[in-house]
Amino acid sequence: DAGITQSPRHKVTETGTPVTLRCHQTENHRYMYWYRQDPGHGLRLIHYSYGVKDTDKGEVSDGYSVSRSKTEDFLLTLESATSSQTSVYFCAIIPRDGGGYTFGSGTRLTVV
Amino acid sequence: GENVEQHPSTLSVQEGDSAVIKCTYSDSASNYFPWYKQELGKGPQLIIDIRSNVGEKKDQRIAVTLNKTAKHFSLHITETQPEDSAVYFCAASKENNDMRFGAGTRLTVKP
Repeated sequence: DAGITQSPRHKVTETGTPVTLRCHQTENHRYMYWYRQDPGHGLRLIHYSYGVKDTDKGEVSDGYSVSRSKTEDFLLTLESATSSQTSVYFCAIIPRDGGGYTFGSGTRLTVV
Repeated sequence: GENVEQHPSTLSVQEGDSAVIKCTYSDSASNYFPWYKQELGKGPQLIIDIRSNVGEKKDQRIAVTLNKTAKHFSLHITETQPEDSAVYFCAASKENNDMRFGAGTRLTVKP
């Protein structure tokens, strides 16, 4: 899995609470991505990073923020979770050979 | 931005038969087209990809074809086996960035 670890694997949280998901990689990849996966929508890009402190928005960034203070960690924060953010979240990197993304195992988030 | 449509959403085949999944894309500048397989509880895994300078690529029982003029590409799985049962996603991107995914196809291979 190209040394990608997502934590936690599962989380249940209440509406209005802040939540932070972590993506950790061990191979010094420059680009990191956060996607959400919902039935009927495939995977949609939330935010991505192209280096330490360099991030940009994806197609579904509203309600989410990210931070990358170290190469190995890319954090996704829901400042005030809503039920519409119940989803499975995947982190991804671009492998060194430039091929298709390598994904982590995902975080299943339920907002009640 | 890029829009990727994928059909069918579900596909059921008998073991040994072939399966074909089709995708269309909207941005003619897209030049990289990967396919992913996702098993239950796991992240998507790259199974094959094709770039816009190639019309077809094959890897054992799977192949991908690309028609740039029509802006569509397809995944072909021959001699399907029960372990091919999974959700398959197509994607399109420019220079492997800002990748857009299809909605997925749930393939079931019946023994």
